Amino acid sequence: GENVEQHPSTLSVQEGDSAVIKCTYSDSASNYFPWYKQELGKRPQLIIDIRSNVGEKKDQRIAVTLNKTAKHFSLHITETQPEDSAVYFCAASGGGYQKVTFGIGTKLQVIP
Amino acid sequence: DSGVTQTPKHLITATGQRVTLRCSPRSGDLSVYWYQQSLDQGLQFLIQYYNGEERAKGNILERFSAQQFPDLHSELNLSSLELGDSALYFCASSAGGGAGIQETQYFGPGTRLLVL
Repeated sequence: GENVEQHPSTLSVQEGDSAVIKCTYSDSASNYFPWYKQELGKRPQLIIDIRSNVGEKKDQRIAVTLNKTAKHFSLHITETQPEDSAVYFCAASGGGYQKVTFGIGTKLQVIP
Repeated sequence: DSGVTQTPKHLITATGQRVTLRCSPRSGDLSVYWYQQSLDQGLQFLIQYYNGEERAKGNILERFSAQQFPDLHSELNLSSLELGDSALYFCASSAGGGAGIQETQYFGPGTRLLVL
């Protein structure tokens, strides 16, 4: 089955700096890669996603890049703000039904 | 608010007991997914239902079972509960659920289960 590795597990950045979270996946059939943000005690919320026919996608301060050959994808957050502090999960899905495999999560702390 | 609802919000029970968690998907969504999130852990996929039928299974214990009803709501049954079953249980839904184009899953607020 699919295996998704995510790093780093924790990340501290100064407010205004950029944050990068990286994930790798194992199943070459995976074709959909969502990123979720989860604040403490709350539901995971989709912040951005990318499909395998696209190499990069941006939404304001958030961008995701995908390298299908290397089987890795990354989340980039620019001009970080304290409200960006949360746990971020990457995920991979595809090759059949809608089973989504999540990474272990990255706890991002933005220091004011 | 994602449109996915879950009840109850909190549940406290004892070891050996059985509980039922309930999920209502977003209006029009046919698929329901169940996930378990233990303390400081990632999201573990348990099971998916699509239009009443089981579609995919993850690391779901034999003590756990689920079903999706004709009105598309779903229930997750946890029996012979153990201390280690204490976790947040999330339900998610998506529009379809068949093979092919992968779809966004929208998560409910979760049910926090504490087994004492």
